[in-house]
Amino acid sequence: NAGVTQTPKFQVLKTGQSMTLQCAQDMNHNSMYWYRQDPGMGLRLIYYSASEGTTDKGEVPNGYNVSRLNKREFSLRLESAAPSQTSVYFCASSGTLTQETQYFGPGTRLLVL
Amino acid sequence: GQQLNQSPQSMFIQEGEDVSMNCTSSSIFNTWLWYKQEPGEGPVLLIALYKAGELTSNGRLTAQFGITRKDSFLNISASIPSDVGIYFCAGQYSGAGSYQLTFGKGTKLSVIP
Repeated sequence: NAGVTQTPKFQVLKTGQSMTLQCAQDMNHNSMYWYRQDPGMGLRLIYYSASEGTTDKGEVPNGYNVSRLNKREFSLRLESAAPSQTSVYFCASSGTLTQETQYFGPGTRLLVL
Repeated sequence: GQQLNQSPQSMFIQEGEDVSMNCTSSSIFNTWLWYKQEPGEGPVLLIALYKAGELTSNGRLTAQFGITRKDSFLNISASIPSDVGIYFCAGQYSGAGSYQLTFGKGTKLSVIP
């Protein structure tokens, strides 16, 4: 049972490049989330998906897009990367939107030069 | 958005000592959560609190949901080297269609053997 998996683990981009971060969960959860973690800032919610077919903005959505591909997969896309998007990105899932127990993936470390 | 103040920001303690950390909020929460994050990993849920005044233990960890619903405390007794990591508090207010978790900035714990 892998839980929440994320790919890639590390990525270096040049300013203006695009990339997609992948996330998958095998716990049959309905809700999925994307967070970013910056030093001294804690975790901030970028986007979330309450259930398959729905997505909503979180606290810091600018510069990102998401796709809930199916119940298992939730991807995060940076269309034109900026140095301010250098961060560690975590995907999480929970049974439902109101179920507070979120299970986190191991993270993707992104550096934008 | 809602703000969580978590203190202290970092702690250096001797193995065997007890540890206390806390979170305060400018607004009330219905749920308080405590997570631990080890280097290179995603956060893992330690304790969840659902009612004002609730005191819950998980092994050597004890957490309390403040009476005012605006604060929470985490204590670790008899610390050991594997307690090293960053501890995050998170609050959830399930009302007015909002189910997002708000995270504190973390308390970095270092244990000196």
